[in-house]
Amino acid sequence: SYELTQPPSVSVSPGQTARITCSGEVLTKQYVYWYQQKPGQAPVLVLYKDSERPSGIPERFSGSNSGKTVTLTISGVQSEDEADYYCQSADSTVTYEVLFGGGTKLTVL
Amino acid sequence: QLQLHESGPGLVKPSATLSLTCTFSGASFSSPTYFWGWMRQPPGKGLEWVGSMLYSGSTSYNPSLKSRATISVDTSKSQFSLTLTSVTATDAAVYYCARHPVDGDREAYWGQGTLVTVSS
Repeated sequence: SYELTQPPSVSVSPGQTARITCSGEVLTKQYVYWYQQKPGQAPVLVLYKDSERPSGIPERFSGSNSGKTVTLTISGVQSEDEADYYCQSADSTVTYEVLFGGGTKLTVL
Repeated sequence: QLQLHESGPGLVKPSATLSLTCTFSGASFSSPTYFWGWMRQPPGKGLEWVGSMLYSGSTSYNPSLKSRATISVDTSKSQFSLTLTSVTATDAAVYYCARHPVDGDREAYWGQGTLVTVSS
């Protein structure tokens, strides 16, 4: 089955731009969701359909797709953005499976 | 606005059966464009998909669970449930119920999660 690969960690200073990638063959055929999870809290959807923001998500969160790699970009990172970020997609090739990346810890220095 | 809420025992004995219920409001189970599913997150680890059900009753499960998981629905109560048999310590996790689109082209909604501990 397909896998989604994320870097374990990304570090940026406040005000800089953070880029978190999610790679996988299935991404050429399926959309990606991005979730933000802070300690002790449930995941919060920050992007769907690769780059769409749900209501209430700041404009500094954006997404792009370049085939096998999807990127979550956080512009002007703030301390409150420090969290774990997970990408999620699906594989419907044979049977339906939901796929998660391993997660990326974003540290705001 | 769709809301989902998980409920169930917080403690389950090894080899026993885990049963969780998700109660939802603000949406109909019968929409053909959404799955209703369960995700979990072991302590200190990443997110894992458990299984999902379509409005038709068709189900899909994570192959790693080796047929131990079953999802069922009671539309009269606006609830769907997860049953996981023969639990071990590796099944200890926060379990989340969710509604997620079939085509990934619209928002997904998750509950706040419920912690399940496996211990004798």
